[in-house]
Amino acid sequence: QKEVEQDPGPLSVPEGAIVSLNCTYSNSAFQYFMWYRQYSRKGPELLMYTYSSGNKEDGRFTAQVDKSSKYISLFIRDSQPSDSATYLCAMMVEYGNKLVFGAGTILRVKS
Amino acid sequence: EAGVVQSPRYKIIEKKQPVAFWCNPISGHNTLYWYLQNLGQGPELLIRYENEEAVDDSQLPKDRFSAERLKGVDSTLKIQPAELGDSAVYLCASSFRVGEQYFGPGTRLTVT
Repeated sequence: QKEVEQDPGPLSVPEGAIVSLNCTYSNSAFQYFMWYRQYSRKGPELLMYTYSSGNKEDGRFTAQVDKSSKYISLFIRDSQPSDSATYLCAMMVEYGNKLVFGAGTILRVKS
Repeated sequence: EAGVVQSPRYKIIEKKQPVAFWCNPISGHNTLYWYLQNLGQGPELLIRYENEEAVDDSQLPKDRFSAERLKGVDSTLKIQPAELGDSAVYLCASSFRVGEQYFGPGTRLTVT
């Protein structure tokens, strides 16, 4: 079993929909939780960064961390065709510097 | 602010040939990472540098892979000899603060 599990999709939604992307993990020592967006043939781009539990909002994006369930989510409101990409979750332990990535979820927003 | 620069963007070589990738991190970022990304997978760490020192190279296949970061800025990752299974995207990232890693566009390697 992988340390970080992520549904590969693809997830296809109409423009304007609310998108929910999720990851589960097994290592209870993870304290840092990130979401990256990766367009085709590009490097991953850091979207959201959360430390420990709780919610964080940035524009149309909201990241949630539930450490008791070992479950993190990224919500995208009013999705746009430009949001079509692969979304990667990543995690790291306290005082560590090694990110452990999920396999990524492919998102397609149809106009 | 310029991002992480990598070259070449694409490389096609025959198996058993050597290949090298170059990375220039964001100015002021002391930590540099090399990742391997296979199709449909997330990046996997190969090696991490703090300034000039390789502090985590446990995932680097040292029989054929080598890396260096002279003067604590640019870095080079080399494969010699390349194998068919090395076909992948090689990503370089840099960071200043813990957790906030910024990636370059990657080098897509095809070994034939």
